[in-house]
Amino acid sequence: GDSVTQMEGPVTLSEEAFLTINCTYTATGYPSLFWYVQYPGEGLQLLLKATKADDKGSNKGFEATYRKETTSFHLEKGSVQVSDSAVYFCALSGPKTSYDKVIFGPGTSLSVIP
Amino acid sequence: DAGVIQSPRHEVTEMGQEVTLRCKPISGHNSLFWYRQTMMRGLELLIYFNNNVPIDDSGMPEDRFSAKMPNASFSTLKIQPSEPRDSAVYFCASSGGQIRSMNTEAFFGQGTRLTVV
Repeated sequence: GDSVTQMEGPVTLSEEAFLTINCTYTATGYPSLFWYVQYPGEGLQLLLKATKADDKGSNKGFEATYRKETTSFHLEKGSVQVSDSAVYFCALSGPKTSYDKVIFGPGTSLSVIP
Repeated sequence: DAGVIQSPRHEVTEMGQEVTLRCKPISGHNSLFWYRQTMMRGLELLIYFNNNVPIDDSGMPEDRFSAKMPNASFSTLKIQPSEPRDSAVYFCASSGGQIRSMNTEAFFGQGTRLTVV
């Protein structure tokens, strides 16, 4: 079945460091890919998405490129801030036959220290 | 739209009691999901509905858990009887539109933090 794998955390970085969180997926068809972020005490919210191969999603300085050949969707940010401390979830949404079901990875906790 | 609304935000109950969590999805969305989040198991999909019909309940842990969606604007997740290991944050999310969409993101509520003592 469809699944998402992402790097285990926790990840701890200094402010202004470069961030990469790896994500790979297994899916039938051509899913859309997402990154969600969960700040402490809150629900998940969409950070960025890409709906087809080679698309790049971007938001708030974060970027991820849909790589069909490597089935990956790695999250990157050039310079992290303390306010980026959160849990990041990679996810996919299958084609029409899956009734818009969204499948999440286990999440990666990020802590940014001043 | 106010987004996905869940109630209550916090619930503390004694073991053996019935607990009912409520969710109002975003108007117009036709898919609704219930998730459970714990430190040990992360984010787990319990059940999801499409057009008020349960599509996949394979994530429901046991018969003590049940979910209903009597109409497009309301869903409940019930635990009866509750146990301490049910303590978690329960999220409701909705997605989709009137025409079944290709690939859409899920919108999450703020969650209900359940503590069973």
